[in-house]
Amino acid sequence: NAGVTQTPKFQVLKTGQSMTLQCAQDMNHEYMSWYRQDPGMGLRLIHYSVGAGITDQGEVPNGYNVSRSTTEDFPLRLLSAAPSQTSVYFCASKFQGDTGELFFGEGSRLTVL
Amino acid sequence: GENVEQHPSTLSVQEGDSAVIKCTYSDSASNYFPWYKQELGKGPQLIIDIRSNVGEKKDQRIAVTLNKTAKHFSLHITETQPEDSAVYFCAASHTNAGKSTFGDGTTLTVKP
Repeated sequence: NAGVTQTPKFQVLKTGQSMTLQCAQDMNHEYMSWYRQDPGMGLRLIHYSVGAGITDQGEVPNGYNVSRSTTEDFPLRLLSAAPSQTSVYFCASKFQGDTGELFFGEGSRLTVL
Repeated sequence: GENVEQHPSTLSVQEGDSAVIKCTYSDSASNYFPWYKQELGKGPQLIIDIRSNVGEKKDQRIAVTLNKTAKHFSLHITETQPEDSAVYFCAASHTNAGKSTFGDGTTLTVKP
């Protein structure tokens, strides 16, 4: 099992550009989520999904879009990148209905100039 | 929503000493409290967790304690080693919500 795979690992964007961060998991987890990590601010939830076709907003959803067409994939879209979106992004998954372990990807470091 | 506060933000100890990191939470419905370790350039990984029906849990050199009444829980690392140096996050969640709320993290440095 590969676990949670994120691509790309690094990306530089210009203000106003759009892009998609990819996340895939092969553990048949119903629950998937995106967090951003900024210095001194921990991990903040952007969006999450409890199954295919179901998504919901987290703590900091503005400027981001998600969709969940399959159990395996949960892409995060930046519609019009802003410097404030410079961050490290983590995708995480777990079995839904289980308050158990979150499995994280290795992260995607995004810089917006 | 849930709010998790974590202290201290940085902690430096000598090898062999103990380290304690503390977290408080606000939502009395939270019933699952994991601790994650994040090494440089990696994603967080679960090191230990505790559920609300348990007061303490131990796994070799690490232990977690939970005080439901006071809404706080702590991570204890004994006999620290340089490889324990990392960022540690506490989190809280409950079954109905599913989503986890994280503390701001503690950077632990163990000096040889």
